Amino acid sequence: QKEVEQDPGPLSVPEGAIVSLNCTYSNSAFQYFMWYRQYSRKGPELLMYTYSSGNKEDGRFTAQVDKSSKYISLFIRDSQPSDSATYLCAMFKGTYKYIFGTGTRLKVLA
Amino acid sequence: DGGITQSPKYLFRKEGQNVTLSCEQNLNHDAMYWYRQDPGQGLRLIYYSQIVNDFQKGDIAEGYSVSREKKESFPLTVTSAQKNPTAFYLCASNSANPNQPQHFGDGTRLSIL
Repeated sequence: QKEVEQDPGPLSVPEGAIVSLNCTYSNSAFQYFMWYRQYSRKGPELLMYTYSSGNKEDGRFTAQVDKSSKYISLFIRDSQPSDSATYLCAMFKGTYKYIFGTGTRLKVLA
Repeated sequence: DGGITQSPKYLFRKEGQNVTLSCEQNLNHDAMYWYRQDPGQGLRLIYYSQIVNDFQKGDIAEGYSVSREKKESFPLTVTSAQKNPTAFYLCASNSANPNQPQHFGDGTRLSIL
């Protein structure tokens, strides 16, 4: 079993839709959770960084962590074509080790 | 602006050749990392360095080597022993507190000639 599971997509939505991206994980010791956005041929860009359970909002983005279910989500409101990218979840495992999901490809159609 | 600069953007390797990928950061970060990204796989850690003159193997270090002579620089050499080097290579850094999120450069795409 992989430590982190993420649906690869692609996920296609119309402009203005609410997007929900998700990851599940198996190690209950993970406490720090990150979401990155990666455009084609570019490096990942940090979008959200959260600690433990709860919600965190930043503009159109909301990160949600449910430690009891080992499930994290990223919501994008009022999605735009410029949001079309691959979204990676990541978790801090300890001792300088981070575990990354395989990424979900998102396409926002104008 | 602070950031991480990787060069070159594209690199081609001939059989039996060693190539070096450059990574420079001006974020004053202590820790630096090299990852390999392949389609359909998560980022895999090659090497990391917590401080100058110290580095540790990651999960897929075979066929790679690194050095950390300066805080700002963490070059990666892909040796001829790495039989499947074609991938997108990403350099990252973060502060001395390892639970802080990593920041990434824009990557180097390495291909075999």
